[in-house]
Amino acid sequence: AQKITQTQPGMFVQEKEAVTLDCTYDTSDPSYGLFWYKQPSSGEMIFLIYQGSYDQQNATEGRYSLNFQKARKSANLVISASQLGDSAMYFCAMRSGGSYIPTFGRGTSLIVHP
Amino acid sequence: KAGVTQTPRYLIKTRGQQVTLSCSPISGHRSVSWYQQTPGQGLQFLFEYFSETQRNKGNFPGRFSGRQFSNSRSEMNVSTLELGDSALYLCASSQGKQAHNEQFFGPGTRLTVL
Repeated sequence: AQKITQTQPGMFVQEKEAVTLDCTYDTSDPSYGLFWYKQPSSGEMIFLIYQGSYDQQNATEGRYSLNFQKARKSANLVISASQLGDSAMYFCAMRSGGSYIPTFGRGTSLIVHP
Repeated sequence: KAGVTQTPRYLIKTRGQQVTLSCSPISGHRSVSWYQQTPGQGLQFLFEYFSETQRNKGNFPGRFSGRQFSNSRSEMNVSTLELGDSALYLCASSQGKQAHNEQFFGPGTRLTVL
C-alpha cells in the first residue's frame, strides 16, 4: 500500500520569500513517481512538478523545486520568491510500481501575504 | 493545445436522481481518470479508462460508473444520488499508462445533492 502524508494544514509566507511544503511518503515498491499539484480556489488541479524514484537529481520547474530525500522518504516542494498568485491548496501525490492509481495527500493551504 | 474540459461546471440534483458528467481530454491523450474531492475524504480515485477500457477502479459503490468513447471523451454516471455524493468531480487526462505520465486536470464539476 502507498501512503502520502502532508502534515501542514496551513502555511503563511511573505511575498517574495521562499516556502517549503512538506510531504512524506511510504511505499514498499522501489519504483515510484511523486507529483505536486496546485489547486486554486477555482478548483482546477494544476500539475507543478514530478520526481521519479530513480532520478539522480532533484526536479526543478521554474520557481518550483522538489527536495527529494529518498532515505527519509520525503519529497518537499520548495517555492522560491513567492507571489500572491501562489495562494492555493497544494497536493502531494504518488504512484508506485505498476499501479496507475495515485494516492493524494490531504493538502496544504498556502497563503501569501503582500 | 486546448486543456481538459468538463461539463457541466455546476449541477444541482435531488436524492434518488441520476447524473451524467462529461470530460473531454487533451487531444492525443488516451487515458482519462475521474476523482471525487470532498472536504472530509479529500481527493479519491474513482476509475481510469484507457482506449475505451476501464483499467483501474477505486473503492466506490456500483452506483458510480463510467465509459470512454473512441475519441477518448469520457462520461461518468452516478445513479440513485445520495447526499454524500455532493462533491467536486475532477477529470484528468494523460498520454499513457506509465507512472511518470503526469495528469492534466479539468476545472471540475461541482455537484450538489439536495
